[in-house]
Order: sequence, then C-alpha cells, then structure tokens
Amino acid sequence: DAGITQSPRHKVTETGTPVTLRCHQTENHRYMYWYRQDPGHGLRLIHYSYGVKDTDKGEVSDGYSVSRSKTEDFLLTLESATSSQTSVYFCAISKTSGASTGELFFGEGSRLTVL
Amino acid sequence: QKEVEQNSGPLSVPEGAIASLNCTYSDRGSQSFFWYRQYSGKSPELIMFIYSNGDKEDGRFTAQLNKASQYVSLLIRDSQPSDSATYLCAVWGGSQGNLIFGKGTKLSVKP
Repeated sequence: DAGITQSPRHKVTETGTPVTLRCHQTENHRYMYWYRQDPGHGLRLIHYSYGVKDTDKGEVSDGYSVSRSKTEDFLLTLESATSSQTSVYFCAISKTSGASTGELFFGEGSRLTVL
Repeated sequence: QKEVEQNSGPLSVPEGAIASLNCTYSDRGSQSFFWYRQYSGKSPELIMFIYSNGDKEDGRFTAQLNKASQYVSLLIRDSQPSDSATYLCAVWGGSQGNLIFGKGTKLSVKP
C-alpha cells in the first residue's frame, strides 16, 4: 500500500463545469504526478510537483492546472471541463529521496466522464 | 518526439510457458527502464526496473536491456493465469517529468 488516496473515484460532469481531483499521500514524499490514461494513448503526464508550491507541466497540460499547498495534497483542476477530458486520471508518487527516476506508485485512479 | 513502442497484443500463451514482452524506445539518452503491470480496471504497479545492459532477474521475471539496439524486454517464466494483465514499458530520459510510457501489451495466459 503506497498510502495514496484519490478522490473522487468516479465523477460525471457536464461540459463547461469546473472539476477538481484530489490526491492525498500519507508518507510525505516530495514528488507527485498526475497522469491520464486513454485507450490508444497509454499513460500521459499532465503535471507534476517536486515540492510545496513547486509544479511543472507535462506532456498534456493544456486545460489543466494544479496546486500543492501541502506536501500531502496535490490537486488537479479542470477549469472548464470538455468531453476530450473524459479519462481515467491517476495520481502517482515517487518514493526515492533524490531525483525521481521513474519508480512510481499509483493511486487507484479517478474515472471522469464529461457529458 | 520521444517514443516508446510496444506491440499491443493480445499476446496469448499457455500456462507454464514463457511470455516474452518487448519494447523499443527512440531516445538514445534514456537511462532507466521500467515494467509496470496493470490489471483490468486497476492502477499500474511497478514489477521490474533495469538500468544497465544485460539481464536482471527477480523470481519468475527477467528484464533484459540492450541500449545499443534501444530495446528492452520482459520475460515471464512459468506463466500463470494470474499474470494475465497489460504490461506497460516505461523509459526515463534523465530529467523530471521525462518518463515516457508505452501503450502496453495485453498478455493472456490460458489455463
């Protein structure tokens, strides 16, 4: 158990509404990530964080913002959801003390449907 | 554009056989290589990683890396029906946010 909790686990929303997904970790690891997984595309990095208030963009960051005000929480926000953002969203952490090398531990995922 | 390529499968093997999963990558500067297993409807879990050329064994799993050919593979010996899952290859290019996943190979182990 990597001590990662995602909420909500399932959400259905309408186009144009804001949505926030939360990732909570219990072990105070420095690196946290948000991925989306879609058929035919695999896992793609949206944003990541390397500390409180330290975040950076990933491959598919357009339409998403993140915040990390506490070590344990990493929030992903869709300011105005679109149907193309229907996906399964995974939060991940790296447990390495130095630079993350790719050894990630994933949360259970949040399935978002935008109608 | 850095790419990680996997055969999507499905790869079907009989129980007890060796399953061979392959992955190629485009970035010659890649430094670390990972195999994740993902059961249907579940999150990915790390099963193997390899940093150096050659083989790395962990129980029934062997990861093989050939940097010259930009090729990494995962062998599963004595395959079990419980090994049926999608296997994701991931390649790290040496900087934050630079972990690229392949689309995965679906493995089916038939009893």
